[in-house]
This record gives sequence, C-alpha cells and structure tokens, in this order.
Amino acid sequence: DAGVIQSPRHEVTEMGQEVTLRCKPISGHNSLFWYRQTMMRGLELLIYFNNNVPIDDSGMPEDRFSAKMPNASFSTLKIQPSEPRDSAVYFCASSIDANEQFFGPGTRLTVL
Amino acid sequence: AQTVTQSQPEMSVQEAETVTLSCTYDTSESNYYLFWYKQPPSRQMILVIRQEAYKQQNATENRFSVNFQKAAKSFSLKISDSQLGDTAMYFCAFMKRGGATNKLIFGTGTLLAVQP
Repeated sequence: DAGVIQSPRHEVTEMGQEVTLRCKPISGHNSLFWYRQTMMRGLELLIYFNNNVPIDDSGMPEDRFSAKMPNASFSTLKIQPSEPRDSAVYFCASSIDANEQFFGPGTRLTVL
Repeated sequence: AQTVTQSQPEMSVQEAETVTLSCTYDTSESNYYLFWYKQPPSRQMILVIRQEAYKQQNATENRFSVNFQKAAKSFSLKISDSQLGDTAMYFCAFMKRGGATNKLIFGTGTLLAVQP
C-alpha cells in the first residue's frame, strides 16, 4: 500500500490567497483526520471524518478554514483567505475506526 | 479534558546505550490507548509502540518497550541499544476509546539525539 498521500508537500503563498491541501487516505480506512503542527501549539486535531462525514470540527480555527471529504478516497483542507499565522505543517492521517492512525508525509505551508 | 505532559524537551544518549523518555497524562477515562510516535527530520510521523489501557502487560516492539503505570498515569518509553537512526522527536499521545472523536492528544515532544 502506498500509505497516506498528501499534496503538495510544500506550499508557499502570499497572504490573502486561497490554499488547498489534499489527502488520499489508505484504501479501506474509514476514518480521516487533519492535524496541524506548529512550534507554539504542537500537534493538534483540526477535524475528523468518519465514513466521509465530519464528526468533530471543533479544532478548526475559524471560518477561514474548511474541509471536505466528497468520497472515501479524497479529502481537502482549504484556507481562504490565508494569513501568515496559518504557516505550519498540516498532516492528514487515516485509520480503521479507533485503531492505529497512519500519517501522511505532511504539507509544509508558508504564508508570506 | 485529557492532557499529555512530556517534561524532557531534549535528551541525549550514546550509541548502543539505553535511554528512557518520560510521559505522564491526565484523564478520568478508563478505556483508552497510549502511543509513542517518532518524528525524524523528514517530519514523517511514525508509530513506535501502542499500549491498551486494559492490558497490564507492557508493550514491546524490538528495542522499544514501555513502562505503563496506570494508577500513576505514567507511560515511559525505553529505547535499548540506541542507534543513530533513533535520532528524532518523540511524541507521547493519548486516545480515548469509544468516544465520538478518535483523536490523538499529543504531548509537546522530546528531542532525542543519539551520539556516535
């Protein structure tokens, strides 16, 4: 299996631009997670999907952030408009129910 | 709310030696998992070891083992015969079982440097 796939691996954008991060979970996994890693806040959950349905989005910082999972093999995390404080590494992870979560390689986002 | 504390921001160990990383957590739950994840410079998050709270036996994976003290809410990681490739950030994580959200709650991490 190819593991969790994320794209792009690196993204540099200017403040105010729209950013879309993409994730392909491991085939057969029914749970998908978006985490954000920063020096200040460490690793924190942004949103969790189960069977393509958002279950917990309490970690989404504000209305500028949105996430979708249109099918079992694809999810997006969108930031519009982006701000410098959004600069971080964004991880996607997937699992089968409440079992081990497998992480993707992450997307390093830099907002200038 | 659950919290995970790693009190050692950095540690260093000589190659082939043994090192123990500390982790404590706070929860009122009785059914949960505990994990250690490794994040090397490549930033990939790699699961090192997992412990189910209902199991009294400490988990072991090759050179990695844990000391799980449920009453003390302590979950330390022991790395035996340290190798240069063990150099990484290590995160302790908690996950409640049976909740609406199977999210991982991470500690702040311990940066381990294995010296040749």
